[in-house]
Parts: sequence; C-alpha cells; structure tokens
Amino acid sequence: DAKTTQPPSMDCAEGRAANLPCNHSTISGNEYVYWYRQIHSQGPQYIIHGLKNNETNEMASLIITEDRKSSTLILPHATLRDTAVYYCIVRVAYYGGSQGNLIFGKGTKLSVKP
Amino acid sequence: DVKVTQSSRYLVKRTGEKVFLECVQDMDHENMFWYRQDPGLGLRLIYFSYDVKMKEKGDIPEGYSVSREKKERFSLILESASTNQTSMYLCASSTTSPGSEAFFGQGTRLTVV
Repeated sequence: DAKTTQPPSMDCAEGRAANLPCNHSTISGNEYVYWYRQIHSQGPQYIIHGLKNNETNEMASLIITEDRKSSTLILPHATLRDTAVYYCIVRVAYYGGSQGNLIFGKGTKLSVKP
Repeated sequence: DVKVTQSSRYLVKRTGEKVFLECVQDMDHENMFWYRQDPGLGLRLIYFSYDVKMKEKGDIPEGYSVSREKKERFSLILESASTNQTSMYLCASSTTSPGSEAFFGQGTRLTVV
C-alpha cells in the first residue's frame, strides 16, 4: 500500500497558487518525499523531492513540516497546463539493490480553471 | 536528456497471445520499472529490476513476467493475454543515488480482444 494520503481532487484558479497537501505520518528518517505529476495520456513527470528541508526549483516549491509527517507542494502561479494528477511518494534513501521500489498512490487531480 | 522509449504507443492483441512490451533507456540506469495504470486505480507496480537479471515482484505480478538481459532493456511479458490485462503500461528507469528521480516512457496502451 502507498505510504501517503492525498485528497482525490482540488480546484485552483488560473494565476493563483496551488497548494497540494500530502500526509505521510509513518515516514522514516531516511525516506525522501517525491512529487510527480501526470498530464492526461502522458507518462508521469518528476517535479521535486526533499528529505528534511524545504526545496524550490523552477517548477514548484516543497514545504515539509518539521516533524516530516506532512508536506505541501506549491505551484506559485498555476496555469491551465498545470491541470494534471499529482502524486506524492515516499521512498527510502536508496543506494542500490532491492529497496528501490517506487510505489504510487492515487494522487490528487488538480483542475486549474480560467 | 534522459530518454525512456517504449516500443509501441498502441497495441491490440488477441486473448491467449503471448505479448512482449519492450522498454529501452539510454542513461545507464540501474533500476527499471513496469507499471500498469487503470482508471480510478492509479499506477500499480508490476515488476521492478535493480540490475541485469535481477527482479522483484511489485503489487500485481500475476499474469506477467519480465526479462532484463541487458542493462538498457527491460521487457514485460504477458504469457497468455487476457481481456483484464487491457490497460496503459508505463516503463520507468532511475539511478541508485539516494535522491534519484525516475524517468518515465510515454506508455503503451494495450487492448486485448
């Protein structure tokens, strides 16, 4: 089973920030939080990941709570092209071998509306 | 750029046929994955390979097998295709570094009739 809980759907107005929550209350100290998204009929696309600190890249920001039990993906200025299913995943710090499984949950369907 | 290429975008096969889905990656990644995706069920892991000839079962391996004879190629095999294997199949690859991301192919939409 997936180790994360996400709302099944969210709406966001175009140009506003989209804040997508994820609960991972059983996360271990050596597990990373990853975010991917999947636009209709395409393969999933990596967005961002983090371990303890907040992270930012050209696509999004990732805010991880101090206790690491939840996180929020922020798309600062959502556009219509950001409409997709967003997946939050936890994965162990991986150095090779059989621990490299990447397990997806059902994700959050984000609809950006004009 | 990393490229993960799946051999077919769309495939139609008959019930009982042996089906091969091929995936090739060009970044010398150790890990490769096969998922299937169905409406309302999200992505489910079928098999994972962490090295040549090494494989691990995912959540739904029944009815499938895999082959990884070369590092860059990971094949998913449906020994005797059935209609309940009609689905979108996605291949992915990643390295072994702790924070590594996975790169996905565009998917193969398989219809079994």
